[in-house]
Amino acid sequence: NAGVTQTPKFRILKIGQSMTLQCAQDMNHNYMYWYRQDPGMGLKLIYYSVGAGITDKGEVPNGYNVSRSTTEDFPLRLELAAPSQTSVYFCASSPRTSGGEETQYFGPGTRLLVL
Amino acid sequence: AQKVTQAQTEISVVEKEDVTLDCVYETRDTTYYLFWYKQPPSGELVFLIRRNSFDEQNEISGRYSWNFQKSTSSFNFTITASQVVDSAVYFCALIFLNSNSGYALNFGKGTSLLVTP
Repeated sequence: NAGVTQTPKFRILKIGQSMTLQCAQDMNHNYMYWYRQDPGMGLKLIYYSVGAGITDKGEVPNGYNVSRSTTEDFPLRLELAAPSQTSVYFCASSPRTSGGEETQYFGPGTRLLVL
Repeated sequence: AQKVTQAQTEISVVEKEDVTLDCVYETRDTTYYLFWYKQPPSGELVFLIRRNSFDEQNEISGRYSWNFQKSTSSFNFTITASQVVDSAVYFCALIFLNSNSGYALNFGKGTSLLVTP
């Protein structure tokens, strides 16, 4: 199993550009998450999905969109990049959970710089 | 409110010293789950341990041990005989309910541990 994979590893965007961060998992996990990590801080939840076709906002969703057409993929879309979106983005997945006990496994991260 | 506090921003120790990383949490839930993750300089997040609120037994895994005390809402992490490879940022996290059916991790700000030879 490759686990959780993310592409690209690093990207520089100009203000106003758009891009999609890709995330895929091959563990057949129902739950998937996008977090961002700003320098010196913990991770904050952007969006999550409990299964194909179902997504919901997290703590910091503004400026982002997601879709979940398959169990495996959970792309994160930035429509109009802003310097405030400079961050490291982590995708994570976990099995179906009835009470939140399942461990989340993280991808390697995508480092995004908006200039 | 759900909150995780890691008061120690940075810790520096010499190799072979023992070090304890503190984690204090707040939650209204009676059932919850706590986690520790390690983020080495390479940047990935490595799962270390999960603990549920009903199990206050301490856990030991090699040089790592965890002390969970509900009475003080703490879930501290101790590394015994630290090694240079232990240098990393360590995050404590709490599962919280984000909506009717979703669970996400609420992270502390992390403690940066530097182990020098």
